[in-house]
Parts: sequence; C-alpha cells; structure tokens
Amino acid sequence: DIQMTQSPSSLSASVGDRVTITCRASQSISRHLNWYQQKPGEAPKLLIYAASTLQSGVPSRFSGSGSGTDYTLTISSLQPGDFASYYCQQSYSTPSTFGPGTKVDVK
Amino acid sequence: QVQLVESGGGVVQPGRSLRLSCVASGFTFSTYAMHWVRQAPGKGLEWVVVISYDGSNKYYADSVKGRFTISRDNSKNTLYLQMNSLRAEDTAVYFCAREDPDSAWYELDYWGQGTLLTVSS
Repeated sequence: DIQMTQSPSSLSASVGDRVTITCRASQSISRHLNWYQQKPGEAPKLLIYAASTLQSGVPSRFSGSGSGTDYTLTISSLQPGDFASYYCQQSYSTPSTFGPGTKVDVK
Repeated sequence: QVQLVESGGGVVQPGRSLRLSCVASGFTFSTYAMHWVRQAPGKGLEWVVVISYDGSNKYYADSVKGRFTISRDNSKNTLYLQMNSLRAEDTAVYFCAREDPDSAWYELDYWGQGTLLTVSS
C-alpha cells in the first residue's frame, strides 16, 4: 500500500497569510493526488484533483503543484473560511490512502 | 443538485452487525463508482471500500476485508455497507462519496454528510 505523509500536522496563520502544505507519497503516484478541505462537523470537500486542477467553484487562491512523490497545496491569501483541516489523497492505486491531515487554525 | 444521504448508524455491541445505506439523487447513480470513507472521532480520513458502477468490482481496505460487504441497488439509487463482526475500532463517521467518472484521476467529487457508528458494550 502507498503511504501518505503530510506536513505540518498543524499550523497557525492569520487572514491574508500565504499557507503551504506538503504531501509526500511512499512511491510515485503520477499526479494522482487530490486535496480536500474539511470543516468540523462537515463532509470533506474536493478542492484540487490531478495534483493541480482546481475543482469547479473552488476559489483561485487555492493551488496545487507537484509530481512524482512530492506535492504541495498553497493558499495564496488565507480567508476566514479557510480555517479547516486539509487532507491529501492518492488515487493512483487501490487501496486509496489519505494523508493524516493538516489543521489550519487562527494565530 | 447532487445529494448523498447516509443512514443506518447507531450504537451496536462488539461482534454484532449493522447495515449502512446511502441514497443518491441529482445524478445518474448507475454510472458512478461509489466509495465509503470513514473517520474515527478526532482522527483523519480512512478509505474503506469502493464498488464499480455496475457492482461487478469491489475493493476493500485490509482493516475491513472479510467483515464488511459493499453492494448497490441501481434501481433504488442506493449504496449499502453491510458490517459484520464489528469492533470498537470501527467506531467512526461513515461517509459515502462518488467518484467522478469523467475524470481519469478517480477523485471523490461529492460526499454525503456521514452517519455515526459507535461500537461499544
């Protein structure tokens, strides 16, 4: 099975900050990397798929990049509604696996 | 609009069984592969199982293989998860999610709100 790691596990930031979260796979996943946002008590929401493709309706301040084993989610200017947990997921092989998550909270 | 509504969660004793359901609406259910993903209290997301659009292919996480069975009734737009021999570590919110069939990347583009299963004596 492909193992996913994320860093940091949590971070504190302010509105307007640039935030970067990294995700690493235990083997190459050929850009089959998806990012989800989850707020407390809610279902996850797809933000980015194929490493860098923005899901319809997702603000352009979210962006993704990477290839091979290393991927990044960037929020260019953090907004109040962005305080949440973020998970990466590899969909390259079954079983699919999620990273452990990154919690973004208010500094 | 796309809706996925899970039901069937509750409190069950270890070793017992339970069946979850996920009713889909707002899209052609029979053309989508469907997944169950779970989240233990205060923990991250764990992928559980996927079923192909026609039910012919199913893949399970090792943690549930042999105990859980996924199925679907396309005539009722409903996905099921039969859970047997339940353990305390199965306690979680269970989400159903659909896989975008128009994408080659297998992302989960819509999720239900989840149903909570608690396994406890």
